[in-house]
Amino acid sequence: EAQVTQNPRYLITVTGKKLTVTCSQNMNHEYMSWYRQDPGLGLRQIYYSMNVEVTDKGDVPEGYKVSRKEKRNFPLILESPSPNQTSLYFCASSLTPRQTNGYTFGSGTRLTVV
Amino acid sequence: DQQVKQNSPSLSVQEGRISILNCDYTNSMFDYFLWYKKYPAEGPTFLISISSIKDKNEDGRFTVFLNKSAKHLSLHIVPSQPGDSAVYFCAASSSGGSYIPTFGRGTSLIVHP
Repeated sequence: EAQVTQNPRYLITVTGKKLTVTCSQNMNHEYMSWYRQDPGLGLRQIYYSMNVEVTDKGDVPEGYKVSRKEKRNFPLILESPSPNQTSLYFCASSLTPRQTNGYTFGSGTRLTVV
Repeated sequence: DQQVKQNSPSLSVQEGRISILNCDYTNSMFDYFLWYKKYPAEGPTFLISISSIKDKNEDGRFTVFLNKSAKHLSLHIVPSQPGDSAVYFCAASSSGGSYIPTFGRGTSLIVHP
């Protein structure tokens, strides 16, 4: 089944403790992206990657890092999480950024930083 | 500044009636528009899209209308069903830029039986 898999689904952590949210897709997509969803703010892009070893900042990149060493994986790294990074995170992928039938999203990771 | 606006945070509709979700945009370079639907505890899923060369696109019960002069698009769901209850996101992208879409803040649709 074609899908984007995120792990973990839920995570509670403490301020300053480094964490990684994994994202993997099995569709050989070149484009991958991370979003966060917050109440009243919709979906905001954190980082995106056009292809292996090519990453760029989205609208809200502060406090996050990403890497794209393989086409299928695009982990999101929070080096020193803070409470304002408590949010619902989604990974998405597509063949190109201009995907006429939209992106495939993962099921989300709900992160709480205390 | 929001380039894609969904001014109604929520909408309540009776089953069988029409649901109309609205989206306004400010960037005249946007030329491709998409709607996504999101259920709780799931990721958004693509619903329907429209290119700026068209003013209407239909897929079953879902129709998207585009008014370029008003920079406005709308999603019509006819007839509405309780299973349509979800958050709907409007997104817009430009072929003159990176093609990466900008999302609106979403409208929560509730369809009452």
